[in-house]
Amino acid sequence: ETGVTQTPRHLVMGMTNKKSLKCEQHLGHNAMYWYKQSAKKPLELMFVYNFKEQTENNSVPSRFSPECPNSSHLFLHLHTLQPEDSALYLCASSRDIQGLQETQYFGPGTRLLVL
Amino acid sequence: AQSVTQPDIHITVSEGASLELRCNYSYGATPYLFWYVQSPGQGLQLLLKYFSGDTLVQGIKGFEAEFKRSQSSFNLRKPSVHWSDAAEYFCAVGVGSSNTGKLIFGQGTTLQVKP
Repeated sequence: ETGVTQTPRHLVMGMTNKKSLKCEQHLGHNAMYWYKQSAKKPLELMFVYNFKEQTENNSVPSRFSPECPNSSHLFLHLHTLQPEDSALYLCASSRDIQGLQETQYFGPGTRLLVL
Repeated sequence: AQSVTQPDIHITVSEGASLELRCNYSYGATPYLFWYVQSPGQGLQLLLKYFSGDTLVQGIKGFEAEFKRSQSSFNLRKPSVHWSDAAEYFCAVGVGSSNTGKLIFGQGTTLQVKP
């Protein structure tokens, strides 16, 4: 599946670093999502964007800062992270958020390790 | 509160054997239910979904799931497992209105297939 791509695939960073995760979708969708997948825990929705506007912030700490410059690109800017933020970060897209019938298509994820 | 429980963290079956993965949900209204599969190093792929109508839903790769309202369950089945089915499987429930809904995921079940 190459409809949703994520870079980098792996990232190691120190707690004082600043890094960014990138997601790009080639499906012509209008909604994009960030999820966090930690070991032994369910997938957690972080942010939702629809037509470039943020529609959901699921009580995510401010050290995670999303950016959606257009409907095809979504970024997650990382700053002063904690070791417990180590996880797989998944990006997804859907045609829009109007209805749960809209299937979400996922990228392969970025495996993040915070030292 | 809405939740999804997948009681089996890890299941091992022999190739060619039948498979059933359990999923129980807690949600007050009519649920929208999904099964996703995640192969190693990949994002999540939708297997099937239930919104209404026939309680037996057919999906891709020969999978099916049955919605049982009385048991709050949405178990995934496959009559004959192939080695390529080894992956992690996630059950999810869509909550909220159809315009603002989001997915609540279970913890996942890891499927191992013996030759």
